[in-house]
Amino acid sequence: DIQMTQSPSTLSASVGDRVTITCRASQNIRSLLAWYQQKPGKAPKLLIYMASSLKSGVPSRFSGSGSGTEFTLTISSLQPDDFATYYCQQYNGYYPYTFGQGTNLEIK
Amino acid sequence: QVQLVQSGAEVKKPGASVKVSCKASGYTFTSYIINWVRQAPGQGLEWMGWVNPNSGKTGYVEKFQGRVTMTRNTSITTAYMELSGLRSEDTAVYYCARDEEWDWGQGTLVTVSS
Repeated sequence: DIQMTQSPSTLSASVGDRVTITCRASQNIRSLLAWYQQKPGKAPKLLIYMASSLKSGVPSRFSGSGSGTEFTLTISSLQPDDFATYYCQQYNGYYPYTFGQGTNLEIK
Repeated sequence: QVQLVQSGAEVKKPGASVKVSCKASGYTFTSYIINWVRQAPGQGLEWMGWVNPNSGKTGYVEKFQGRVTMTRNTSITTAYMELSGLRSEDTAVYYCARDEEWDWGQGTLVTVSS
């Protein structure tokens, strides 16, 4: 199975900060990576697919990059609504699909 | 618009079974695999398996083999996940999610308690 290692597990930041979350795959997953935002009591919300494609309706301050085994999610200028938990997920076409352990983005 | 609407919360006793439904609308049901993911309280996301609505073919994570059954009914565009032999560790929110596009249902809380 492909292991996804996400870091950091917790990130403290302020409104207006630029933040980056990293996800590393245990083997090459090409660009088959998604990023989600999850708020308490809600389903995960897709932000980025195919590693760098922004889902329609998602603010442009969110961006994704990477391919192969190293990926990043960047929020260019944090807004109050962005404080949440973020997950990466690989969907390389070989099951099982796997998730990173999550990054809790909290207000500093 | 695409919607995945899941069945309501369930409370089950240890050893029982639960069947969660996922009603799809807004797209061609048989064109996209349905995945099932669960999230225990305060924990991360755990992918459980998939069902192909077109063929009925399924695939499950090894830890759930023998306890989980994923099915579908194309006439009512609904996918199902049944988990048997419930134990307290199965208490979680269960989600369905459409493959490739990654639309998710709202989640179904399953509580296992004596």
